[in-house]
Amino acid sequence: GNSVTQMEGPVTLSEEAFLTINCTYTATGYPSLFWYVQYPGEGLQLLLKATKADDKGSNKGFEATYRKETTSFHLEKGSVQVSDSAVYFCALIPSNDYKLSFGAGTTVTVRA
Amino acid sequence: DSGVTQTPKHLITATGQRVTLRCSPRSGDLSVYWYQQSLDQGLQFLIQYYNGEERAKGNILERFSAQQFPDLHSELNLSSLELGDSALYFCASSAGLDDSPLHFGNGTRLTVT
Repeated sequence: GNSVTQMEGPVTLSEEAFLTINCTYTATGYPSLFWYVQYPGEGLQLLLKATKADDKGSNKGFEATYRKETTSFHLEKGSVQVSDSAVYFCALIPSNDYKLSFGAGTTVTVRA
Repeated sequence: DSGVTQTPKHLITATGQRVTLRCSPRSGDLSVYWYQQSLDQGLQFLIQYYNGEERAKGNILERFSAQQFPDLHSELNLSSLELGDSALYFCASSAGLDDSPLHFGNGTRLTVT
């Protein structure tokens, strides 16, 4: 089946530190890959996406590259801020389906 | 603001009761999704509707049901409630049946006592 595995949290960082959240997936064909972010008290919102191999999604200083060879879509940010504290979800839509499958979420806390 | 409206924001009810959660999708979106978020289960896909028709089913209990109306709003009905049904219920909408991004509402927090 289709699934997403992301690194467990929680992750606690200091401001301006480098953030990486690992995400690997299992899917047939060529899924579309997403990162969603959930700020405290809010619903999820799309952070970035990539729809084919070697695509790089980027937004708000975050980046993730679709790696077909390693079935990965790791999220990175070079210098985090307190406002980046949130729960981050990796997700995929299979090429033969419409259902978005989420990873378990990684809670990130950035301290000043 | 995602454009997806969920009501109510909070709901407290007793075991055995029935509740209805409501969702208005973003203007122009035809697909509506329901998700359940709890501490132990994470974010679980429940069900998807597209233009009034059920399209996909996930981990939705038989005690739960949903529908999408002609005006595209959707309702999730939860019956014979149990303590374990306490969770945050999210509605999301997207343009159609493709990899369009989902736009989430702020959720309804259900507490079953």
